[in-house]
Amino acid sequence: ETGVTQSPTHLIKTRGQQVTLRCSSQSGHNTVSWYQQALGQGPQFIFQYYREEENGRGNFPPRFSGLQFPNYSSELNVNALELDDSALYLCASSFGTVSYEQYFGPGTRLTVT
Amino acid sequence: SQQGEEDPQALSIQEGENATMNCSYKTSINNLQWYRQNSGRGLVHLILIRSNEREKHSGRLRVTLDTSKKSSSLLITASRAADTASYFCATDAGNRDDKIIFGKGTRLHILP
Repeated sequence: ETGVTQSPTHLIKTRGQQVTLRCSSQSGHNTVSWYQQALGQGPQFIFQYYREEENGRGNFPPRFSGLQFPNYSSELNVNALELDDSALYLCASSFGTVSYEQYFGPGTRLTVT
Repeated sequence: SQQGEEDPQALSIQEGENATMNCSYKTSINNLQWYRQNSGRGLVHLILIRSNEREKHSGRLRVTLDTSKKSSSLLITASRAADTASYFCATDAGNRDDKIIFGKGTRLHILP
């Protein structure tokens, strides 16, 4: 078990709604990365936050946004949900921006109907 | 697009046998990592191998890296039921940026 926690565990939303997912990083870590994992696929990098600033972004539209707080916890916000947003959302914390070793949380399973 | 591609997509072996999974990637890298994921849960970091390393061991795991062929292999010896999981390789993007890119994974099933 890593020290990374995510909430909620499961979530069902309707198309067009907005959702906020939360992640608490492992103690001592200052970087959080978010990933989207569709069924049967590998995780896809969404973005990374380092010391409260966005530090790198994958190929995701602006309706995916995030925040990192002074305690290095983080939120992922998705606006105008689409059916294809249904996936497992994973956050990973690390020390520093170079992802030599990330510790993943258990994920939030989002279903959009 | 995905940098790494694992092969095979799925693998079933008897408990006690060795399991080998392969990963090929497209661009130069600084390091390559292998992760395990149980039943759609969070990923667990298994091992990291740097581009100047050729082989690395961790318990029952052995990872090799061939940068000339842009490929890596993960060997799990004396497999156990608890090894049933999906295994992903992940590479950085070389000097372009810091994010890591995962392959689609190999689904390993250990038969009793």
